[in-house]
Amino acid sequence: DVKVTQSSRYLVKRTGEKVFLECVQDMDHENMFWYRQDPGLGLRLIYFSYDVKMKEKGDIPEGYSVSREKKERFSLILESASTNQTSMYLCASSFGETQYFGPGTRLLVL
Amino acid sequence: EDQVTQSPEALRLQEGESSSLNCSYTVSGLRGLFWYRQDPGKGPEFLFTLYSAGEEKEKERLKATLTKKESFLHITAPKPEDSATYLCAVQENKLIFGAGTRLAVHP
Repeated sequence: DVKVTQSSRYLVKRTGEKVFLECVQDMDHENMFWYRQDPGLGLRLIYFSYDVKMKEKGDIPEGYSVSREKKERFSLILESASTNQTSMYLCASSFGETQYFGPGTRLLVL
Repeated sequence: EDQVTQSPEALRLQEGESSSLNCSYTVSGLRGLFWYRQDPGKGPEFLFTLYSAGEEKEKERLKATLTKKESFLHITAPKPEDSATYLCAVQENKLIFGAGTRLAVHP
């Protein structure tokens, strides 16, 4: 079974803090993705990566950056957290077309 | 603009009452249509991939079908444990998600 894990289920941060969200997959997948999910807006793609040290912007990259130093790990960084980044963050990985998701991190920025 | 629209937004069923969820899409080059199930506070769980019109996939009480413009997720004799949000997504050069259908099945 594909296993995608995320470092935290819940996080509470202050405005202006730097926030790191970690994602690890154990299936040697080439592709990894970060989404955010908000009520009424569905899942929106923030960044994705098709290989180590490679990254591509998704639909809403502003205010975020990513890091992929190892194949199994894809990190999402909020350089200076803002209240409008309060959301559910979902990581996914894939080899072909099918994406497998982690459990999500619910982030609250105060 | 590529779009994925799911209907209804919410559906309430009695246990055993069969129904269908709809996913209509407008993309120029479909490379796959995906159905996911999402329980509250959790990540989406993969259910099916459909690649071409006429294709069908089944899993327990769920059956997914695909035409050139839409997909249906048929739920036969649902049980309360089928309650969840069902997400549809289409793959063009990236995955585009619909907003989901919230299904509640009552005993």
